[in-house]
Amino acid sequence: AQTVTQSQPEMSVQEAETVTLSCTYDTSENNYYLFWYKQPPSRQMILVIRQEAYKQQNATENRFSVNFQKAAKSFSLKISDSQLGDTAMYFCAFMIHFFQGAQKLVFGQGTRLTINP
Amino acid sequence: ETGVTQTPRHLVMGMTNKKSLKCEQHLGHNAMYWYKQSAKKPLELMFVYNFKEQTENNSVPSRFSPECPNSSHLFLHLHTLQPEDSALYLCASSQEETVLGTDTQYFGPGTRLTVL
Repeated sequence: AQTVTQSQPEMSVQEAETVTLSCTYDTSENNYYLFWYKQPPSRQMILVIRQEAYKQQNATENRFSVNFQKAAKSFSLKISDSQLGDTAMYFCAFMIHFFQGAQKLVFGQGTRLTINP
Repeated sequence: ETGVTQTPRHLVMGMTNKKSLKCEQHLGHNAMYWYKQSAKKPLELMFVYNFKEQTENNSVPSRFSPECPNSSHLFLHLHTLQPEDSALYLCASSQEETVLGTDTQYFGPGTRLTVL
């Protein structure tokens, strides 16, 4: 069974600090994608960053970067120079393909991140 | 963000009511999804429609009935719900490929459902 575990229910940092959110997953698949989504109070689930499992290079997107350790099945998100607008729930998700090419996303329970002024 | 829209944003209904949630995507995608987000639980995939055909029903009770009339619209028909069905219902869409490609799911803002 595919599972995603986020071990930090809540985190809080000061504005401009760097914060790392952890995520581990379990799968027997070899080809898959990993995602980080953020869900601010507006409830809109927004894609932050994605990583293809076959790529060794860690994905980066402006202030957001990941540390992908495939052997350890670890996929952490680093937010540099954190901003007040980064306050949100962050979900780690694992994606596989199944019948007829459709996707299945498996989500972790989320980490509530608060950026303090 | 207006790629995926959902209406209504909030819905309160009694257990004997019949209501429908609507999702519309403007991204030209060919797959759509319903998710349920309950407090303190991970998002749960409910239904998947790929090329307008339902390809996944994740053991969802029959009081939830999906409908996908075309690749841009997705409905979730609700009848005789229970209070434990109160949750945020999220719709998503993606562009499916036949091989592992660059598809990503894009989400709507959700409908907050309260069942009294």
